Amino acid sequence: TQLLEQSPQFLSIQEGENLTVYCNSSSVFSSLQWYRQEPGEGPVLLVTVVTGGEVKKLKRLTFQFGDARKDSSLHITAAQPGDTGLYLCAGGAGNQFYFGTGTSLTVIP
Amino acid sequence: SQTIHQWPATLVQPVGSPLSLECTVEGTSNPNLYWYRQAAGRGLQLLFYSVGIGQISSEVPQNLSASRPQDRQFILSSKKLLLSDSGFYLCAWSWQGGREQYFGPGTRLTVT
Repeated sequence: TQLLEQSPQFLSIQEGENLTVYCNSSSVFSSLQWYRQEPGEGPVLLVTVVTGGEVKKLKRLTFQFGDARKDSSLHITAAQPGDTGLYLCAGGAGNQFYFGTGTSLTVIP
Repeated sequence: SQTIHQWPATLVQPVGSPLSLECTVEGTSNPNLYWYRQAAGRGLQLLFYSVGIGQISSEVPQNLSASRPQDRQFILSSKKLLLSDSGFYLCAWSWQGGREQYFGPGTRLTVT
């Protein structure tokens, strides 16, 4: 089993603050995805990173894939209430995807 | 564009009753299909995946089974539900060899 650990598990911050979520594994993945999920809905894909050391930006969100392709981080600048949700990382290996333990983010107005 | 459907959206079933959840994908052919279960506020547990009609791989021994009778249809079943089967069930698809998955809206199952 390829485990992906996310930290922190829960995060509650004020609007305008910055934050970083981490996704760590002892396994190497061919790609890594980040999703955001609203309560009662399916996860929505945010980004896919493929190359070790790769950095991708999506507006106020910055995603980085570790050099060894075992870990990733998600940084949010100036968080807004609309960023509230469950953030999930997932590593791809062949036809399978292994999901992280999740980070529940609450941004307080 | 591709669309994935799941039904029903919510389901309340007594212990010992059968289960059938359905997932269909539109706008693509020969997708990989997946069933996940999610505990509240947590990550996803892969239950089954399929790379083609009639081809099912099971990740976790359990009270559930899956079938793929058509290219874009994936069904999750149980003959007798247990209380521990309660949860949020998600279906997803990906292209063959694809790096991303796309999820359906989910089914909330409560076993009473």
